[in-house]
Amino acid sequence: DQQVKQNSPSLSVQEGRISILNCDYTNSMFDYFLWYKKYPAEGPTFLISISSIKDKNEDGRFTVFLNKSAKHLSLHIVPSQPGDSAVYFCAASVRGQGAQKLVFGQGTRLTINP
Amino acid sequence: DVKVTQSSRYLVKRTGEKVFLECVQDMDHENMFWYRQDPGLGLRLIYFSYDVKMKEKGDIPEGYSVSREKKERFSLILESASTNQTSMYLCASSLIPSSYNEQFFGPGTRLTVL
Repeated sequence: DQQVKQNSPSLSVQEGRISILNCDYTNSMFDYFLWYKKYPAEGPTFLISISSIKDKNEDGRFTVFLNKSAKHLSLHIVPSQPGDSAVYFCAASVRGQGAQKLVFGQGTRLTINP
Repeated sequence: DVKVTQSSRYLVKRTGEKVFLECVQDMDHENMFWYRQDPGLGLRLIYFSYDVKMKEKGDIPEGYSVSREKKERFSLILESASTNQTSMYLCASSLIPSSYNEQFFGPGTRLTVL
């Protein structure tokens, strides 16, 4: 039962253009959503988050949009740069027994072409 | 800066061997987590711990056990390694309370079981 889904395994974008990564979820109890970026042979690093009570959060070139009625969020990267090439994971926070846990999507591999 | 370190970057073991993966964090975080990352499946939670000597099963605990004798150290144990446990193993930690439940990841251990 995949509570967080990233339906696009890969995405290829031209340098300077906008990259849009999508994520869908099923659990209405998620209180925060996070995006992580992962380079090969490294651990994921936190990129940006959004509270479930917000619909937009912006940090420099990165903006996350949340549509609660559709249970959908997206990460926009503008403009895209070659260093943005990585795997991006969407994650949702839920309070479980003893600790808050993160539920991750499958990941989307973003490739920025020069 | 939070630092999460894992004892090995690459590990090769034989079927049936007992395997120990060690994780240490230096920021006095209460929560620690073990995930495995497989292509197309994202990060899946194996076990987590919210306090010393406390542990909770994640989504895929079968074949694994954990130990947390000190706050900074969380060990993942494969009692009898099998080929289907070949994977990238990621350790993470987080603080209580945390505004948006950000987890900090180590660099990962790529385990191959032959």
